[in-house]
Amino acid sequence: QKEVEQNSGPLSVPEGAIASLNCTYSDRGSQSFFWYRQYSGKSPELIMFIYSNGDKEDGRFTAQLNKASQYVSLLIRDSQPSDSATYLCAQRMAAGNKLTFGGGTRVLVKP
Amino acid sequence: NAGVTQTPKFQVLKTGQSMTLQCAQDMNHNSMYWYRQDPGMGLRLIYYSASEGTTDKGEVPNGYNVSRLNKREFSLRLESAAPSQTSVYFCASIPSSSRLTYNEQFFGPGTRLTVL
Repeated sequence: QKEVEQNSGPLSVPEGAIASLNCTYSDRGSQSFFWYRQYSGKSPELIMFIYSNGDKEDGRFTAQLNKASQYVSLLIRDSQPSDSATYLCAQRMAAGNKLTFGGGTRVLVKP
Repeated sequence: NAGVTQTPKFQVLKTGQSMTLQCAQDMNHNSMYWYRQDPGMGLRLIYYSASEGTTDKGEVPNGYNVSRLNKREFSLRLESAAPSQTSVYFCASIPSSSRLTYNEQFFGPGTRLTVL
């Protein structure tokens, strides 16, 4: 079983709607979690990180962490065609600086 | 600052050939990483270097070797390339930080490798 699981998608949402992405993890020792956005042919770029239970908002993005249920989610409000990309969830382990990535969810925002 | 740079950007090898992928960062980061990315697999850690002079295996180290030449440079070597090593390779680095809960990885642009 992969340590970080994501639905591969594609997740198709109309422009202006909310895109909801989910990620589950198996290691309860994980300290913090990251959401990266990756456009086709490009390198990943960080959009959000979260380490406390609850919600964290940054512009149109909200990350939610529930350590008891071992899931982390990302909401994208007012989705734009420019949000069309693959979103990678990653966990940072308690020991060391290593990140473990999920397989990514492909998001398509249709005008 | 150039950030994290990688060379080459593209490479085609024949089975059995060797090559070295170069990575350099100019941000004075301590930790550096090599990942490979295959369709639907996300990023898988090959090797990492927590600090200058140390290297450790990641999730998929077989068929690779690394060298942390100095604080700036971290190279990945394929001694005898195989078609299964066809992938996109990303180098990344992390800044030194006392905030242990947050360490953003900065990624290079990637190297697209095809092994025939």
